[in-house]
Amino acid sequence: QKEVEQDPGPLSVPEGAIVSLNCTYSNSAFQYFMWYRQYSRKGPELLMYTYSSGNKEDGRFTAQVDKSSKYISLFIRDSQPSDSATYLCAMSDTGKLIFGQGTTLQVKP
Amino acid sequence: KAGVTQTPRYLIKTRGQQVTLSCSPISGHRSVSWYQQTPGQGLQFLFEYFSETQRNKGNFPGRFSGRQFSNSRSEMNVSTLELGDSALYLCASSLGDRVYNEQFFGPGTRLTVL
Repeated sequence: QKEVEQDPGPLSVPEGAIVSLNCTYSNSAFQYFMWYRQYSRKGPELLMYTYSSGNKEDGRFTAQVDKSSKYISLFIRDSQPSDSATYLCAMSDTGKLIFGQGTTLQVKP
Repeated sequence: KAGVTQTPRYLIKTRGQQVTLSCSPISGHRSVSWYQQTPGQGLQFLFEYFSETQRNKGNFPGRFSGRQFSNSRSEMNVSTLELGDSALYLCASSLGDRVYNEQFFGPGTRLTVL
């Protein structure tokens, strides 16, 4: 079993939809939780970072961490075609990042 | 500020050969981490270098090695290449002065082993 599990999708939604992306993990030592976005032929770029449990909002993006359930989520409101990309969750306790498999999202106009 | 650069961007090698990939971090960043990305395994951590010393290591065989120079530039080497080494190799740089620092990724080197 992998330390971090993420449904690879693909996930296809119409423009304007609310998107929910999720990851579960097994290592209770993880304290730092991140969501990265990766466009085709590019390196990942950091979208959201959360320390420990709680919610964090940045524009159309909201990240949630529930350490008791070992579950993290990323919500995208009013999704746009430009949001079409692969979304990777990542976690860390020592600075080494452990990634989920990535979910491929397509937002159709 | 220039981002993380990786050279070369694409590489084709044959089984048994060795390869060296290069990464130039963002100016002022002292930590460089290397990752392997494949469709089957996703993004996996290889190792991290900070101030010329390996600080963290993932679960890869000894054929994968790296080093960091005094200017923070880093190289990774893969010896005796296998077909399964075909992947996108990403490096990421960060300040490296805390347990967590934001990591900035380069565009990657696409390695194909024939």
